[in-house]
Amino acid sequence: DAKTTQPPSMDCAEGRAANLPCNHSTISGNEYVYWYRQIHSQGPQYIIHGLKNNETNEMASLIITEDRKSSTLILPHATLRDTAVYYCIVSPPYAGGTSYGKLTFGQGTILTVHP
Amino acid sequence: DGGITQSPKYLFRKEGQNVTLSCEQNLNHDAMYWYRQDPGQGLRLIYYSQIVNDFQKGDIAEGYSVSREKKESFPLTVTSAQKNPTAFYLCASSIASGGNNEQFFGPGTRLTVL
Repeated sequence: DAKTTQPPSMDCAEGRAANLPCNHSTISGNEYVYWYRQIHSQGPQYIIHGLKNNETNEMASLIITEDRKSSTLILPHATLRDTAVYYCIVSPPYAGGTSYGKLTFGQGTILTVHP
Repeated sequence: DGGITQSPKYLFRKEGQNVTLSCEQNLNHDAMYWYRQDPGQGLRLIYYSQIVNDFQKGDIAEGYSVSREKKESFPLTVTSAQKNPTAFYLCASSIASGGNNEQFFGPGTRLTVL
């Protein structure tokens, strides 16, 4: 029951912006878009999440289209340490009971940052 | 220094033996989760717990068991009934409040069954 579609791999030059796309055309009105990344053999790391508005933090920016059917994660100045698998996840808000805010991890995008 | 710890990092067991993986958090989070990851795949949810003394099955609970006797601890037992136990196991926790399900992950335990 894949809710998101991401390209399997992308390349980026060090110092340039990395723009990772994600399609989530069946997203519901109360579902959030989350981005995590996983560096090889480590636990996933939260990057950012958003509902409708664009979001920015110290790691990245998240641009969500007006119809909310797609989003883009932007790493403004990619470094070699940003090489990882990036997961785009659509999840309902945490509300207890069966609405525990399940995160469904697909296969993600392998981002390789080159020197 | 808050976070989630998992031990051991690598674990080897003989086929047919039960094995328990440790997960501890000092983030004061109510919710805790166990995931399994196979090579080249995403994470799959095994069990989750939203509060002490309560837990629910995830998508692939067969062959696994958990307990949640303390808020800080959520151990996972891989039983002999689990047909393919060799995998990377990840524990996570979250505050579990409306609108925010940011999950914090531990470093993982790589289990190899010989």
